[in-house]
Amino acid sequence: SQQGEEDPQALSIQEGENATMNCSYKTSINNLQWYRQNSGRGLVHLILIRSNEREKHSGRLRVTLDTSKKSSSLLITASRAADTASYFCAMGDRDDKIIFGKGTRLHILP
Amino acid sequence: AAGVIQSPRHLIKEKRETATLKCYPIPRHDTVYWYQQGPGQDPQFLISFYEKMQSDKGSIPDRFSAQQFSDYHSELNMSSLELGDSALYFCASSRKLRYEQYFGPGTRLTVT
Repeated sequence: SQQGEEDPQALSIQEGENATMNCSYKTSINNLQWYRQNSGRGLVHLILIRSNEREKHSGRLRVTLDTSKKSSSLLITASRAADTASYFCAMGDRDDKIIFGKGTRLHILP
Repeated sequence: AAGVIQSPRHLIKEKRETATLKCYPIPRHDTVYWYQQGPGQDPQFLISFYEKMQSDKGSIPDRFSAQQFSDYHSELNMSSLELGDSALYFCASSRKLRYEQYFGPGTRLTVT
């Protein structure tokens, strides 16, 4: 199946440090998206990177995509307490269905 | 800016009852997606609609059905509810296929 695997499953870092989360997938994708979810809340779209793009920035977020390795990474720089959440990668296939990965639980320590 | 609206936000039903969840997409969005997220689980795609036609189907049980109406809102109908149907149900909308999805706040369904 296309379901992504995220690594690590949980991550705790000190406020101000950078957080890196990785996502790997199995088959061809049209795009890959990253979402944030605060506990029990809706998913917030962070960034979309298309299969022909290698890197994308949005504020403190940097996303890379390596289609040869079928992997993506999300870097959050200068983390803040408000960044504490679960982060999901979601693979968009050629039929435009998106499949979510398992998610990384990020905890920013004060 | 207007967001995706879901109603109700919370719903408690008993086993074997039926439930209807509603989703109102962002204005001018023509595609609606439904997801189910169990406790501690990742969201699972159920079904999607584009221009009022079913565009894709995921792990939606046969007991569930959905449709998109002329005003683009969508309803997810769930019958013969089971305890395992307790979950957060998210609706997302996008403008045409191949665009990022914007999620609603979800409906928390509890089946007792």
